[in-house]
Amino acid sequence: LAKTTQPISMDSYEGQEVNITCSHNNIATNDYITWYQQFPSQGPRFIIQGYKTKVTNEVASLFIPADRKSSTLSLPRVSLSDTAVYYCPKTSYDKVIFGPGTSLSVIP
Amino acid sequence: NAGVTQTPKFRVLKTGQSMTLLCAQDMNHEYMYWYRQDPGMGLRLIHYSVGEGTTAKGEVPDGYNVSRLKKQNFLLGLESAAPSQTSVYFCASSRDGRPNTEAFFGQGTRLTVV
Repeated sequence: LAKTTQPISMDSYEGQEVNITCSHNNIATNDYITWYQQFPSQGPRFIIQGYKTKVTNEVASLFIPADRKSSTLSLPRVSLSDTAVYYCPKTSYDKVIFGPGTSLSVIP
Repeated sequence: NAGVTQTPKFRVLKTGQSMTLLCAQDMNHEYMYWYRQDPGMGLRLIHYSVGEGTTAKGEVPDGYNVSRLKKQNFLLGLESAAPSQTSVYFCASSRDGRPNTEAFFGQGTRLTVV
């Protein structure tokens, strides 16, 4: 089960918008695209999910192009508390496969 | 509502010792997973279960065994611990295998093998 691909790390200043892109080259027709957030010493938690186009919730926005080969997680006006690792795992009908994720550091 | 609970939270083992990690979920979820997390490696799937009485191998199953005798519990066993099994272990559960299902994670167990 091929994993998704995303940058290993990113830095951003407080108040900026952060966009993290994930490559889903092996996405299946039925797959949804899901993003998780993990703070230090905690388990990952679900933050947003979509199938196509754009989804927005109170935490983030998710942009998915028509071919669904990639997705972009957008965090508006980040704060220090958004420092975390962000994952876009590969999902199949019976398991969820995570890669290294993107470590986001927010700088004061 | 407790969600996913892992026991213990910390443990130190000597090489060759055995232990069992317990994962319990109170959400009536069908699917359960065990992951390990090492620096720079993200989460790697060890074993998983798609229902009571079933188990399957994940990406890194060697040196581990699992059992799912009850729907709410998923046990991870180390028969003979090795220093390479020093890691943080996470358990997760999901409602079912539908493509829009999200996974819920426990707080982790930090295991050190000396």
